[in-house]
Amino acid sequence: NAGVMQNPRHLVRRRGQEARLRCSPMKGHSHVYWYRQLPEEGLKFMVYLQKENIIDESGMPKERFSAEFPKEGPSILRIQQVVRGDSAAYFCASSPPASTGYEQYFGPGTRLTVT
Amino acid sequence: GQSLEQPSEVTAVEGAIVQINCTYQTSGFYGLSWYQQHDGGAPTFLSYNALDGLEETGRFSSFLSRSDSYGYLLLQELQMKDSASYFCAVVTGFQKLVFGTGTRLLVSP
Repeated sequence: NAGVMQNPRHLVRRRGQEARLRCSPMKGHSHVYWYRQLPEEGLKFMVYLQKENIIDESGMPKERFSAEFPKEGPSILRIQQVVRGDSAAYFCASSPPASTGYEQYFGPGTRLTVT
Repeated sequence: GQSLEQPSEVTAVEGAIVQINCTYQTSGFYGLSWYQQHDGGAPTFLSYNALDGLEETGRFSSFLSRSDSYGYLLLQELQMKDSASYFCAVVTGFQKLVFGTGTRLLVSP
């Protein structure tokens, strides 16, 4: 059973460009979460999605950031007009339908560098 | 607000026992999870406590005291491969995890 997949693993963008990060949850998992991690810091919750629904986006910056989890295909985290402060590791996680979220399965992350 | 406090770094030698503490103040509490993260790697789930007491999983155990808003992760028979960062995380609501800042464990020979 393949784990959570994220791509790209590394992404370099110039200031002002758009970044698109993709996440395919584990097979059978219906909950998807996105986290941001700065060096030497913990993971900061951004958004929780189910298929075609954003359930909790309380950790998402109000501007430039958006997320979706369409009926078909991976979940996408989109950052428009990136700035240097967006440089971080972005992790996606998933959990099975019946879970309460305490055990989440993480992907390898996308390391975003904004130059 | 939400705050989870952990020591920033702990050092120990192979074969020893180490305890990583976590105190929390959160607006909601359903349970306490622990995750391990090696440098450059993905966090992996270790254990979960919803009720007070000790949960044991092999060399790792986790403890929770809800009345004290406190928990710890106990690692026994330390191995070099246990060198990693360890995060406590509170389940604050439906599908919502709030992570601590992490404890870096350095295991030396």
